[in-house]
Amino acid sequence: DAKTTQPPSMDCAEGRAANLPCNHSTISGNEYVYWYRQIHSQGPQYIIHGLKNNETNEMASLIITEDRKSSTLILPHATLRDTAVYYCIVPPAGGTSYGKLTFGQGTILTVHP
Amino acid sequence: DGGITQSPKYLFRKEGQNVTLSCEQNLNHDAMYWYRQDPGQGLRLIYYSQIVNDFQKGDIAEGYSVSREKKESFPLTVTSAQKNPTAFYLCASSPQRSNQPQHFGDGTRLSIL
Repeated sequence: DAKTTQPPSMDCAEGRAANLPCNHSTISGNEYVYWYRQIHSQGPQYIIHGLKNNETNEMASLIITEDRKSSTLILPHATLRDTAVYYCIVPPAGGTSYGKLTFGQGTILTVHP
Repeated sequence: DGGITQSPKYLFRKEGQNVTLSCEQNLNHDAMYWYRQDPGQGLRLIYYSQIVNDFQKGDIAEGYSVSREKKESFPLTVTSAQKNPTAFYLCASSPQRSNQPQHFGDGTRLSIL
């Protein structure tokens, strides 16, 4: 499995962009990067995923570097409801562990007024 | 609305008792997963099933059992052999062997009386 590294915590002012980094230097060519978030006492919520091109949906944008060794999740206009733990995950793309999600400690994002 | 339903939301068990957690999905997904989350920790995979009538152990399967008799349902039994069952249990599903993300239910919180 490609190991991911995220900062333990980040702060962001309401209305500003939140940029959450993730390093995944051991990622292989056919492994995707997924982002989830979890608000206290709720199930993880899928945000976005990508392989090598930048992706955007109604929730966020995902920027993946050209060498694919790191990525950044961007919440363009953070709100107080975006306060959560954000997980960057690279599941295996083959073998018996296909698709297995390994959740690390993630980044605690705090959005303040 | 399509989604994953876990029940009950809260569950209490006496020591020595088996207890079954329900997970139902109407997303027509082939794969289903059970995770456990302890306070302040990431998720750990208990069991997963890629197709009906087949399932595989995850990283922490001891003291747990599952069945997959129907595509929509993947119940988890926490047996008396599980020595530390108090945790937040999360069920997820996804299309089989694809890059589509796993989607999670809202979880069941199990406590020992």
